[in-house]
Amino acid sequence: KQEVTQIPAALSVPEGENLVLNCSFTDSAIYNLQWFRQDPGKGLTSLLLIQSSQREQTSGRLNASLDKSSGRSTLYIAASQPGDSATYLCAAVNRDDKIIFGKGTRLHILP
Amino acid sequence: NAGVTQTPKFQVLKTGQSMTLQCAQDMNHEYMSWYRQDPGMGLRLIHYSVGAGITDQGEVPNGYNVSRSTTEDFPLRLLSAAPSQTSVYFCASSYGRGGHNIQYFGAGTRLSVL
Repeated sequence: KQEVTQIPAALSVPEGENLVLNCSFTDSAIYNLQWFRQDPGKGLTSLLLIQSSQREQTSGRLNASLDKSSGRSTLYIAASQPGDSATYLCAAVNRDDKIIFGKGTRLHILP
Repeated sequence: NAGVTQTPKFQVLKTGQSMTLQCAQDMNHEYMSWYRQDPGMGLRLIHYSVGAGITDQGEVPNGYNVSRSTTEDFPLRLLSAAPSQTSVYFCASSYGRGGHNIQYFGAGTRLSVL
């Protein structure tokens, strides 16, 4: 059974720093790995999708990597801003079309 | 663009009452799904549908029914509400097979069962 873990559960960093959020999954036979952002009281917004055949994806200041062999993905945020404060969730998509979410990392950027 | 629309945004029920959470999307997506989000538990899949007339169970289906009579709508029915169903419910949709493409989420329905 696929399990997705995100550590740490919460993170506070000063504005302007680069940071890395971690996601690990137990079953490497995934179809893709997705990262989402959730603002308080809102739904999820897709940030990046990495296919199983890819190593990384980039969008603006965000870069997500995927290492299937070790069961890990990271989300790198460059030059963090207060507007980046949110909860970030990763989700592993299995080949049976089930999408398994981690519990998220709550990020707070200090002005 | 409306995207994924969920109604109502908030609902309070008494134990044993029934209700339907509505979800509609205007992107002609084949795949639609329902999740519940609870503190410390993350998002858990309740039911999903790969197209009109086709539904299947997710991780936590008990106490919930779904149907998919049209591509646009995917309602979630609570047959007899229980306090354990107090949660935030999210509907999502995507093009093609579930998870193979970007997932679009609604804003959520916050449900309290007393």
